[in-house]
Amino acid sequence: NAGVTQTPKFRVLKTGQSMTLLCAQDMNHEYMYWYRQDPGMGLRLIHYSVGEGTTAKGEVPDGYNVSRLKKQNFLLGLESAAPSQTSVYFCASSYNPTSGGGTSISNEQFFGPGTRLTVL
Amino acid sequence: RKEVEQDPGPFNVPEGATVAFNCTYSNSASQSFFWYRQDCRKEPKLLMSVYSSGNEDGRFTAQLNRASQYISLLIRDSKLSDSATYLCVVNSYTGNQFYFGTGTSLTVIP
Repeated sequence: NAGVTQTPKFRVLKTGQSMTLLCAQDMNHEYMYWYRQDPGMGLRLIHYSVGEGTTAKGEVPDGYNVSRLKKQNFLLGLESAAPSQTSVYFCASSYNPTSGGGTSISNEQFFGPGTRLTVL
Repeated sequence: RKEVEQDPGPFNVPEGATVAFNCTYSNSASQSFFWYRQDCRKEPKLLMSVYSSGNEDGRFTAQLNRASQYISLLIRDSKLSDSATYLCVVNSYTGNQFYFGTGTSLTVIP
């Protein structure tokens, strides 16, 4: 199993350009997440999805859109990139964190290797 | 107020030392608590979940104090390979989202 993969690994954009980050997981997880990580800020949730065809806003959704057309894929789009979106982007997936059969281990999030995005 | 707060460190300790990290959370309705480890320029990986009664995994011990809303991680007999950033993670009151602390940096010195 590949786990969680992200494409691309690195990207440099000019202000105003658009791009899509792809996240794929092969663990049949219901939940998928997009985070950004900035120095001194920790990981912050951008958007998440609780299942195919559904998405929800996280802590910092502005400037991003997402889609979950297939259970295994979660796409993050930047319509008009800004320098403030320079960051490392991590995708994660998990089983339904609100279930778990009494064990917290089922809430584990599995992360992809990250995408380093620079917006000039 | 941040959902999760951690002392960023850095903690520089000699091999064999015992080191403890603390983390506080603001939402008393949170139900799931974790410590993740993140190596430089890598993705976070689960180190251990934190249970109400406290739990141990080898040299690592996690404790939860619901009354004071804090979580701790104790590392005994530190190894060079323990050098990393340790992230405290707490779920939201709905359970759907997770909040990460900014991380505590640990360097174990030979």
